[in-house]
Amino acid sequence: AQSVTQPDIHITVSEGASLELRCNYSYGATPYLFWYVQSPGQGLQLLLKYFSGDTLVQGIKGFEAEFKRSQSSFNLRKPSVHWSDAAEYFCAVGARVLMNTGFQKLVFGTGTRLLVSP
Amino acid sequence: SAVISQKPSRDICQRGTSLTIQCQVDSQVTMMFWYRQQPGQSLTLIATANQGSEATYESGFVIDKFPISRPNLTFSTLTVSNMSPEDSSIYLCSVDKQQGYDGYTFGSGTRLTVV
Repeated sequence: AQSVTQPDIHITVSEGASLELRCNYSYGATPYLFWYVQSPGQGLQLLLKYFSGDTLVQGIKGFEAEFKRSQSSFNLRKPSVHWSDAAEYFCAVGARVLMNTGFQKLVFGTGTRLLVSP
Repeated sequence: SAVISQKPSRDICQRGTSLTIQCQVDSQVTMMFWYRQQPGQSLTLIATANQGSEATYESGFVIDKFPISRPNLTFSTLTVSNMSPEDSSIYLCSVDKQQGYDGYTFGSGTRLTVV
């Protein structure tokens, strides 16, 4: 079964410093991978996704992620963190839902809460 | 991407009662998904709703507790039945318009507190 591991429950980063959030997945085929952000009291917003091709994926808000098949990882990075980036970040893998439909359900990691210090 | 309107945004309910959550999408979508996010936890898929067929429930979730309707390609409801405090969670609707290629869009969620 598909699974996602986010080993860091909390991370504190100084404003202006770089950020890397870790994500490891377990999936038998080529995965569809996603990063979402959830601000307090808000729904989930898609930051970026990977399906195939270039393993370095650019997203919104200056985020990027790199797919490394050999390490089963899809880590999220940002070169300079802003105070507004403080939120909960979820990594997810897409798993096929129904035969012959192509539609997928998402399996989420437990999330990493990012705190940004002045 | 699709825009989702989810109602209510929050509610406080008495145990033993039921609450129906609505999810309205601004365009037709094939698949709609209902997730639960318990306090401090990640998202767990409750069920998948495909228009014109019965919803498919994940392990640990049953139709009697979480009945789902999907009357057309833009609307779905999730009912949380016979509620207990353990049902206090955020419930989120999600849609997949193009088999994941656009990513999944989520509603803003319904924050449910059962007292």
